[in-house]
Amino acid sequence: EDQVTQSPEALRLQEGESSSLNCSYTVSGLRGLFWYRQDPGKGPEFLFTLYSAGEEKEKERLKATLTKKESFLHITAPKPEDSATYLCAVQADSGTYKYIFGTGTRLKVLA
Amino acid sequence: NAGVTQTPKFRILKIGQSMTLQCTQDMNHNYMYWYRQDPGMGLKLIYYSVGAGITDKGEVPNGYNVSRSTTEDFPLRLELAAPSQTSVYFCASIIAGGKFGDEQFFGPGTRLTVL
Repeated sequence: EDQVTQSPEALRLQEGESSSLNCSYTVSGLRGLFWYRQDPGKGPEFLFTLYSAGEEKEKERLKATLTKKESFLHITAPKPEDSATYLCAVQADSGTYKYIFGTGTRLKVLA
Repeated sequence: NAGVTQTPKFRILKIGQSMTLQCTQDMNHNYMYWYRQDPGMGLKLIYYSVGAGITDKGEVPNGYNVSRSTTEDFPLRLELAAPSQTSVYFCASIIAGGKFGDEQFFGPGTRLTVL
């Protein structure tokens, strides 16, 4: 069964304190792994898609990496405005177009 | 472009009532999705559609129905509402091959309470 597990559930960082969020997955064949940011009371906002092991993508203070079993979202020198829930999802290559989401990591960055 | 719009924003239903959650996108996307999100949880896929006239079940389809008669609209129907359907419902559509990969656009959500 396809499954996505995110850790930690919650993370508190001081402004400027870099860290990483983990997304481990089990899927029969991976078509893509997706990262989203969700602010309270709003819909998720797309960040990245990764398609193959070794791939990396970067946007401002965020960098996403992918291995055959997990993905990391690295946050460098975070700011309070980076506080949000970060969601990971996978899509299998079975042609069903379904997305399986993890439960997210709640990030709080303190000034 | 308005993106993905959802109505209503909030709704309270009594047990056994029915309602339709509306979702419209103006980006000409073929793929559209309905999710529910319970407090502190990730998103669970209810139904999805790969084009007008084509729909399929996700992880949690029981108690819901969908139709897709146009590219733009993908309504979600709740029949005989139950307290277990209290949740926030998100509609999404997808554009493939953007700068950062396949990008799923989400609507602002409908917060539904069943009492």
